[in-house]
Amino acid sequence: DAKTTQPNSMESNEEEPVHLPCNHSTISGTDYIHWYRQLPSQGPEYVIHGLTSNVNNRMASLAIAEDRKSSTLILHRATLRDAAVYYCILRDGAGGTSYGKLTFGQGTILTVHP
Amino acid sequence: KAGVTQTPRYLIKTRGQQVTLSCSPISGHRSVSWYQQTPGQGLQFLFEYFSETQRNKGNFPGRFSGRQFSNSRSEMNVSTLELGDSALYLCASSYRGSSYEQYFGPGTRLTVT
Repeated sequence: DAKTTQPNSMESNEEEPVHLPCNHSTISGTDYIHWYRQLPSQGPEYVIHGLTSNVNNRMASLAIAEDRKSSTLILHRATLRDAAVYYCILRDGAGGTSYGKLTFGQGTILTVHP
Repeated sequence: KAGVTQTPRYLIKTRGQQVTLSCSPISGHRSVSWYQQTPGQGLQFLFEYFSETQRNKGNFPGRFSGRQFSNSRSEMNVSTLELGDSALYLCASSYRGSSYEQYFGPGTRLTVT
């Protein structure tokens, strides 16, 4: 599995934007970039995913570098409920050994201050 | 749509016993994956089932097994429990299981004494 690198922790203030970076310099052409988050005492929650173009949904935006070696998850206005561990994961869209498998790293612990 | 459900939510077993955990995926989802989460190892992939067939397997001993039924519900079984099997076991469902997003259940907290 291609590896991702994320900062161990980040802090933000409520109602401010948050930019969570992820480096994936060994990404392959068929790898999708997925973001999940895990709130305390809950299972992981899907946030967003993309392949080459920037993506937006109701939860967040995903900005993907032109060379695809890095990406940034953007929370436009952080709330206290956004405090969680955020995981950046690469998944091979070609299937095979990636079927049903997410390879979680340590993720980034996001703390949101009121 | 109802989310992924897992039963039981909490379980206490004794070393040497076996345990069966159950997972009901989101309606229409045919892929079910299982994960183990521990403080030391984080989230680790156990296996994935699609249309009653195991398509992928993580690096866990043979004591960990699973199956999927025709209605996509899945069970995982751990035999001869060890203290180190104490963990949160998470089930996730997705439409196809490849690049598609996964939706996780709340997990089953297993404690082995």
